[in-house]
Order: sequence, then structure tokens, then C-alpha cells
Amino acid sequence: KQEVTQIPAALSVPEGENLVLNCSFTDSAIYNLQWFRQDPGKGLTSLLLIQSSQREQTSGRLNASLDKSSGRSTLYIAASQPGDSATYLCAVNNQGGKLIFGQGTELSVKP
Amino acid sequence: DTGVSQDPRHKITKRGQNVTFRCDPISEHNRLYWYRQTLGQGPEFLTYFQNEAQLEKSRLLSDRFSAERPKGSFSTLEIQRTEQGDSAMYLCASSQRRTGQETQYFGPGTRLLVL
Repeated sequence: KQEVTQIPAALSVPEGENLVLNCSFTDSAIYNLQWFRQDPGKGLTSLLLIQSSQREQTSGRLNASLDKSSGRSTLYIAASQPGDSATYLCAVNNQGGKLIFGQGTELSVKP
Repeated sequence: DTGVSQDPRHKITKRGQNVTFRCDPISEHNRLYWYRQTLGQGPEFLTYFQNEAQLEKSRLLSDRFSAERPKGSFSTLEIQRTEQGDSAMYLCASSQRRTGQETQYFGPGTRLLVL
């Protein structure tokens, strides 16, 4: 049974800092992995999708990496801004279509 | 592309009542998913459809829950005889089945409060 864990549960950083969010999963036979952002009381916004054959994906200040053999993914955010404050969720797709989510990392970027 | 929409956005009901939620996916997407999210947790999968066929249901989906996608477009999720434990955010997502690139796009959610 696939399990997804995100560490830390919460993170507070000053504006401008580079930061890394971690995601680990127990079953390496994944189809793809997605990172999402969720603002309080809102739905999820897709940030990046990494296919199982890929090592990383980049979008603007975001870079996501995938290491299937070790069951890990990281989301790197460069030059953080207060507008980046949100909960970041990692989700794994094991070819069944459904996503299995971690519990999220709540990020606060202080001005 | 108007995104995934859900209706209603908020629902307050009394225990024992039935409620129905609607999801309209992105128009060209053939897959539609329902998830449930409680406070401080990541979303949990409930069920999904490919076109009008319901392909998988979670064990979380008790007999009181039923979902339909009659014409392969919009979907409804009904909860009968609601319980306080059903209070949660119900999220809908859609995707277009493409090898390795199946990004799921989420709607704004329906927040249910059972009193």
C-alpha cells in the first residue's frame, strides 16, 4: 500500500530565502508525481507534474526533482515571497488514476 | 477552458439529511475524480470515472455515498443520511488520459458541515 509522507509539516522562512520541501513515498513503482499548492479554504492548484521517467521539472522559481529508487521528491522554491505562503501537497499516481496525497507542508514566508 | 467547477460551494445540513453535490469538469477531460479532505489532512480518494464508467471506489465510500456521471460529462456525489463525520471539503478533479502526463485539475471544492 502506497504511503506518502511530507516533512516538515510546517515551515516559516524570511522573504528571499531559498527553501526545499520534502516528499517521500513507500512504493517506487509510480506513474507520476504531482506537486500542488492549496490556499486556505480553497481547492488545489497544480504546480508541477513529473513523469516516472523524468528526474526533474521546472516552472519559474519552482523546481521539482524525483528519485524513484529512494522514494523521494523535493520541491525547491527560489527567492521565496510572501505570496508563496500556502500549503504544498505532494501526490503520487500509481497507474490506477487516483492520487495518493501526503499531509502537506504549511509554508509561511515572512516579509 | 473554464476550469473545474463545483456547486454548491458551501452546504450546511442537519444530521440525517441527504445532500447532493455537482461537479462540472474541464470539457475535453474524460476522467473525473472525487476526493474528500478534512482539516489539516491531504485529500483522500473516493472514486473516479472514465467517461460514464465508474472505475474505482475507495473503501471510504460507504453505502451511504453514491456517485454518478450519467453522460460522461458532469458528475454528482450524493450522501444519504448524513453524519457529523461527513463534515469535510469535497473536491472534484478532472484529467485527460495521456500516457505519463495525466495532470489532475481541481475545482474549488464543496465544504460540507453536518450539524
